[in-house]
Amino acid sequence: EAGVAQSPRYKIIEKRQSVAFWCNPISGHATLYWYQQILGQGPKLLIQFQNNGVVDDSQLPKDRFSAERLKGVDSTLKIQPAKLEDSAVYLCASSMDRVSEQYFGPGTRLTVT
Amino acid sequence: AQSVTQLDSQVPVFEEAPVELRCNYSSSVSVYLFWYVQYPNQGLQLLLKYLSGSTLVKGINGFEAEFNKSQTSFHLRKPSVHISDTAEYFCAVSSGTSYGKLTFGQGTILTVHP
Repeated sequence: EAGVAQSPRYKIIEKRQSVAFWCNPISGHATLYWYQQILGQGPKLLIQFQNNGVVDDSQLPKDRFSAERLKGVDSTLKIQPAKLEDSAVYLCASSMDRVSEQYFGPGTRLTVT
Repeated sequence: AQSVTQLDSQVPVFEEAPVELRCNYSSSVSVYLFWYVQYPNQGLQLLLKYLSGSTLVKGINGFEAEFNKSQTSFHLRKPSVHISDTAEYFCAVSSGTSYGKLTFGQGTILTVHP
């Protein structure tokens, strides 16, 4: 079966610009996660969706980050405006439900200059 | 709150030698424990997981881990490593009250030398 797809793979922007990332989970997976992985650190959960509803967004910087999962399938994560400290790899993962194994996409590497 | 500490940031070993990557966790409730591997420019892949039952868990690629509740540890082991095991390894925990919300450690870079 196809894995979790993410695009773009790489993005370079200047600070204060906006950027959006796209994720297509594995077909049939109800739960979708966005993680931020800063260089030298482990991934940190930003937001968790169950179908198209938000389960947990406690670590999402809501003043600049937003995410949506329309129709309970694809998801987009947006940053506006970007800061230098947002430079990181953004990982999308999906699972059949909240208690099943998470499958990760290849990530989007964001560089903010 | 839950947290994970990986005690070694880098572990160099020679091919065919045994290796242990150390992981300690803290949580006030029952936990589920995971080890993931990340190859360069790729996403994370699950190696193994402990949910309940036997404390010795076997995973893919010959890896195994032992859950030690008294020492709050979940160390990853492999008796004989290969060059292809060179990667970054992450220990992660989720608690019984919020299964699915993974908290990751800082990662351990395993480098296998010929």
